[in-house]
Amino acid sequence: GDSVTQMEGPVTLSEEAFLTINCTYTATGYPSLFWYVQYPGEGLQLLLKATKADDKGSNKGFEATYRKETTSFHLEKGSVQVSDSAVYFCALNRLGGSEKLVFGKGTKLTVNP
Amino acid sequence: NAGVMQNPRHLVRRRGQEARLRCSPMKGHSHVYWYRQLPEEGLKFMVYLQKENIIDESGMPKERFSAEFPKEGPSILRIQQVVRGDSAAYFCASSPSWGAAHEQYFGPGTRLTVT
Repeated sequence: GDSVTQMEGPVTLSEEAFLTINCTYTATGYPSLFWYVQYPGEGLQLLLKATKADDKGSNKGFEATYRKETTSFHLEKGSVQVSDSAVYFCALNRLGGSEKLVFGKGTKLTVNP
Repeated sequence: NAGVMQNPRHLVRRRGQEARLRCSPMKGHSHVYWYRQLPEEGLKFMVYLQKENIIDESGMPKERFSAEFPKEGPSILRIQQVVRGDSAAYFCASSPSWGAAHEQYFGPGTRLTVT
């Protein structure tokens, strides 16, 4: 079945550091890929998405590129802020999969001033 | 445009009681999804509904759990005879149409605690 694997957390960085959170997937067909962010006590918010190979999703300084050859969708940000502290989830869905999202386990990021 | 609304935000039930979780999708959205998040885990799909229809319930436990999305009113996730293992955050999401590229918009969740 479809699955998403993302790097184990927690990740702790200093402000202005470079961030990478790795995400790889297994799926048949052509999934769409997403990064969601969850702030404490809140629901998930879509951060960015990509719907086909080589697409780059970007938002709020975060980027991720859909790499079909390596089945990856790594999240990056050049300079993190304290306000980026949250849990980040990589997810996929695909046509024929009833559009349900399949999530990774999440990576908790803490950014210290 | 109001977002996805869920209530209650926090629910405490004793073992054996029933829990009813409500979800009002965003205006104009006819597709509703329920997910469960156990502590330190990612979200797991439970059920996908459209108005008056269950499209995919492959993630629902076989017993005690049911879901509906009536023609009028919110979607309801019902858990009968709750057990401690049902303690989790339950999230509802909605989307305007079908298709893998369509974003799902999440509500704030209902945190169920079974004592």
